[in-house]
Amino acid sequence: GNSVTQMEGPVTLSEEAFLTINCTYTATGYPSLFWYVQYPGEGLQLLLKATKADDKGSNKGFEATYRKETTSFHLEKGSVQVSDSAVYFCALSDQGSTLGRLYFGRGTQLTVWP
Amino acid sequence: DSGVTQTPKHLITATGQRVTLRCSPRSGDLSVYWYQQSLDQGLQFLIQYYNGEERAKGNILERFSAQQFPDLHSELNLSSLELGDSALYFCASSSGPNTEAFFGQGTRLTVV
Repeated sequence: GNSVTQMEGPVTLSEEAFLTINCTYTATGYPSLFWYVQYPGEGLQLLLKATKADDKGSNKGFEATYRKETTSFHLEKGSVQVSDSAVYFCALSDQGSTLGRLYFGRGTQLTVWP
Repeated sequence: DSGVTQTPKHLITATGQRVTLRCSPRSGDLSVYWYQQSLDQGLQFLIQYYNGEERAKGNILERFSAQQFPDLHSELNLSSLELGDSALYFCASSSGPNTEAFFGQGTRLTVV
C-alpha cells in the first residue's frame, strides 16, 4: 500500500540555520510527491511538488528532490526565517490511479527563533 | 486564498448531535476530497467525490456520510457525534488526478 513517513518533530532552529526534514515513502505505483505547509490557524498550502524520479521541486527557498532509489523526498532550506515557522507535511499521490487522493505523513512542527 | 470555501469555520455541539459541514470547491474543479485532522491520527482521508459521484472511501465511519451536488459543492454529514470526533475537517478540490489539491481553511468541530 501507500504510506509516508516523515521525521518526528518538533524541530527548533535559529534564524538563518539550515533545515532538513526527512521524508520517505512506500508506494505501489509511480507516485507524485508533495510538501504542504500549514501555518497556524490556516489550511494546507502546497509548498512544492515533484512528479517523477530525479525531479527537484522548489519554492520560496525550499527544495526537495524525488529519489526513487532511496524512496525519499527530503525537504531542505539553506537559511530559515522566523516566518517559516509552521507544520510541514510530506504527501504522495499515486500517479497510477485515477483517484488523486493524498497520503500524508504525520507532519513536522518547525519553530524558528530570531 | 485557495479558492476553496468551507463553512462554518468553527462548530461546537453536544454528543449525540448531527452536524453538516459545507465545502465549495474552486471554480471548475470537479474533485472534492474530505480529510480529518486530529492530534492522534494526523491527516486522514475520508472520502472523495468526482462530478457528483463517490470515487474513493478512506477511513470514514458509518456515522459519517457525504455528497456532492450538481453545482459541485459538497457536504459532509456527521451524526451521533462522540467526543472523539472533535477535529479539524478539511475539504480540498482539484481539477483531476495528479493535479494540485487546494485546501480550504477547515472547519474546527468541537464535541462537548
